[in-house]
Amino acid sequence: KAGVTQTPRYLIKTRGQQVTLSCSPISGHRSVSWYQQTPGQGLQFLFEYFSETQRNKGNFPGRFSGRQFSNSRSEMNVSTLELGDSALYLCASSPSTGTSGDGEQFFGPGTRLTVL
Amino acid sequence: AQKVTQAQTEISVVEKEDVTLDCVYETRDTTYYLFWYKQPPSGELVFLIRRNSFDEQNEISGRYSWNFQKSTSSFNFTITASQVVDSAVYFCALSDTNTGNQFYFGTGTSLTVIP
Repeated sequence: KAGVTQTPRYLIKTRGQQVTLSCSPISGHRSVSWYQQTPGQGLQFLFEYFSETQRNKGNFPGRFSGRQFSNSRSEMNVSTLELGDSALYLCASSPSTGTSGDGEQFFGPGTRLTVL
Repeated sequence: AQKVTQAQTEISVVEKEDVTLDCVYETRDTTYYLFWYKQPPSGELVFLIRRNSFDEQNEISGRYSWNFQKSTSSFNFTITASQVVDSAVYFCALSDTNTGNQFYFGTGTSLTVIP
């Protein structure tokens, strides 16, 4: 099976712009989660989608949003970019269908976003 | 509140040495899950192991072994006879039934294996 894929791998934007990142989960996985990784804050949960519905959301401002399509592919959007949004954005898919937290998550290679 | 602590920021060992990476967790839930991931320089997090709170058996997979002790809220990871390819950042993570599929990650331990 192909792994989780993310596009683009690298992105450079300027402050105030918006950006959309894409994630294709492992075939058959309906749960998709997004994480932000920075040297200062480490890995932080953004949100999780399952069957096109946001099931859980981390503590991020409303500038961060996402969606999931019927084929389980997911996108996340960041509007009005700030310098602090520079990070590695990781997408993960899980075979778990419930919300008990028991499913391992399989991560993609990430999108490296640089905000100038 | 859920929290994962990896006190070791960086570790360097010489090839073939054994090394143990520490992980201490906090959760109020009685049902929870612990994970270890490896992040090589390429950036992708690679899943290594999952352990649930009801299973305290230690696990061995090749050169890797994990020691889960609920009494000390620890889930330590040992690499035996380390190799250069083991050089990476290792993350411990926690999820529980209160927070669903949200993972709480530790800050990671950067392991360098010197040839």
